[in-house]
Order: sequence, then structure tokens, then C-alpha cells
Amino acid sequence: GQNIDQPTEMTATEGAIVQINCTYQTSGFNGLFWYQQHAGEAPTFLSYNVLDGLEEKGRFSSFLSRSKGYSYLLLKELQMKDSASYLCAQGDSNYQLIWGAGTKLIIKP
Amino acid sequence: IAGITQAPTSQILAAGRRMTLRCTQDMRHNAMYWYRQDLGLGLRLIHYSNTAGTTGKGEVPDGYSVSRANTDDFPLTLASAVPSQTSVYFCASSDSPDSASPLHFGNGTRLTVT
Repeated sequence: GQNIDQPTEMTATEGAIVQINCTYQTSGFNGLFWYQQHAGEAPTFLSYNVLDGLEEKGRFSSFLSRSKGYSYLLLKELQMKDSASYLCAQGDSNYQLIWGAGTKLIIKP
Repeated sequence: IAGITQAPTSQILAAGRRMTLRCTQDMRHNAMYWYRQDLGLGLRLIHYSNTAGTTGKGEVPDGYSVSRANTDDFPLTLASAVPSQTSVYFCASSDSPDSASPLHFGNGTRLTVT
């Protein structure tokens, strides 16, 4: 089966920058999503990449390299409210999503 | 407010009992999905529906059934609950069944099977 790999947990400081990496298997690739999930809440959509390069959306940016099977989510000017899990998901050849287990981001003052 | 409504919010269920988790959306989205989320694992697709009247099996369909009689409703039924079905269940919808459409999630149902 296909695997999505992302770090289990990361810690960063308020006001800093953090990069959350995600690797996936390149066969049958149909886009890469990032979702944010606060504890006890539903995931919410952050970004979608289907072409190589960086997509910037305010403090959040997402990067994709299709040849390397690699994406990252970049969060700038971290705020305490950014403490959440960040889920990476790949669209497959059947147009279904394959989800990573999520990266829990802890922001410290 | 447009969105997805799931009910109940949480439930404790005895093993062997039948249970239906409800999901309703008012965004007129074509596709709907049921996922389960367990600690340390990614979201796993149980069943999906690309349009009203059709359903399909996801990654972990055993022990679950769904129906899609209309656009808005997509209930998930556990015919005879087992402890391994203890999980948080999320219903989601998207405008189109292709994977380019972002998913909108309900707030989840936390189910404990004892």
C-alpha cells in the first residue's frame, strides 16, 4: 500500500517559523493536501498542491516536489493558536485520499 | 450556517448492539465520506458516496454499512458493534468526488464500544 510519512510531533516557539515535512509514494499521485486539526475538533482544509512549487497563503505556505514525493507546510510568525495537528493527505489514482497520521505541533511561549 | 451536522456527539454502546451515526450536509455537495480516526493512525476511509444513490467501500468497510437515499444524508450503521470499533468517526463532504476538491468535515462522533 501507499504510505504517507510525517513527523509525529514538533515543538516551536511563538513568533518563530516551523516547517512540517511530508513524504509520499509517487505512483498514482493526484494532488497533496494539508489540513489543520485542533484537539477534539474536525480537520479543516489549509492547502492543496498539484504542481511543483510553493503556494503562499498568508502565514502558511505549502511546497510540493512531485519528482521527490515530498511536500512541506511552512508556518511563519507562529501564534499559540497554531498549536494543532497538521495532516498531510495524498490523492491517489482512484481519487481517494491517503492520510498521514498527522504531526502534532506544540507552540511554546 | 452551512456545513455538516453529525449526531450523536458521543455514545457509549454495548458490544453486539446496533447503532446508526447520522450525518447531514446542507451544501449540496455531491460526494460524502465516512472516516474513522484512531490515535497514531491516519484517517481511514470506511465508505464513500460519489453521488446520491451510489456508495462504495473504503479501506476499512467491514462491520459498517451506509446508504445515500438523497444528497443531504449519509448515515453509517454498525450492525453489531465490537470493541475494535471504538473510535472517533468523521463524516465529510466535497463538491466533487475527484480528489482535487477539499473535504468539509463534521465535528465527529466519539464512539466507545464496551
